[in-house]
Amino acid sequence: AQKITQTQPGMFVQEKEAVTLDCTYDTSDQSYGLFWYKQPSSGEMIFLIYQGSYDEQNATEGRYSLNFQKARKSANLVISASQLGDSAMYFCAMREGLNTGNQFYFGTGTSLTVIP
Amino acid sequence: GAVVSQHPSRVICKSGTSVKIECRSLDFQATTMFWYRQFPKQSLMLMATSNEGSKATYEQGVEKDKFLINHASLTLSTLTVTSAHPEDSSFYICSATGPGVYEQYFGPGTRLTVT
Repeated sequence: AQKITQTQPGMFVQEKEAVTLDCTYDTSDQSYGLFWYKQPSSGEMIFLIYQGSYDEQNATEGRYSLNFQKARKSANLVISASQLGDSAMYFCAMREGLNTGNQFYFGTGTSLTVIP
Repeated sequence: GAVVSQHPSRVICKSGTSVKIECRSLDFQATTMFWYRQFPKQSLMLMATSNEGSKATYEQGVEKDKFLINHASLTLSTLTVTSAHPEDSSFYICSATGPGVYEQYFGPGTRLTVT
């Protein structure tokens, strides 16, 4: 089974609107971390937001928030007030366990296009 | 945030030659570094995990004799693609993490073209 599933290959959003990018995960570990990265066409991977499995509050970082629903094993990224510069690939990732040296499992990504 | 540099950003080499890619953590001790390969419009594929001072752990299907990884210090890991072939052409990205660092910090990537 896939550890991380992103079911939206491509998404479009009007500038200034909000958009939700879906991510579900599969793990039997109690301790894990969930991450979202943005990859613009330049190729660099930009860290956006992190949610720990024990965090009770949804993580927020500026215009980014993570809608963490533990029972449903989902960690959707919400981008508010979309900007043209948000057009990029977005990857959801998970690290199992507490060891920061453990590998990340990445989803297949969602290509987001912001329309003027 | 922490910075990871990667050099070169682009390299073109002839088939049969070797090319070395460097990954450096600039402001933290990278006890673990990861090397990924990414094909166009696809996700990152983990090639290997390297811990400082230890041999790298390669993922299934990755030839360790072809993709040599060295992580001799807490700030530098290198990936050497030996006897490169055109099918090795790809985007290679490194990342680093360490004590107290909960995320992976990524380098800007290296685009390798083998002619």
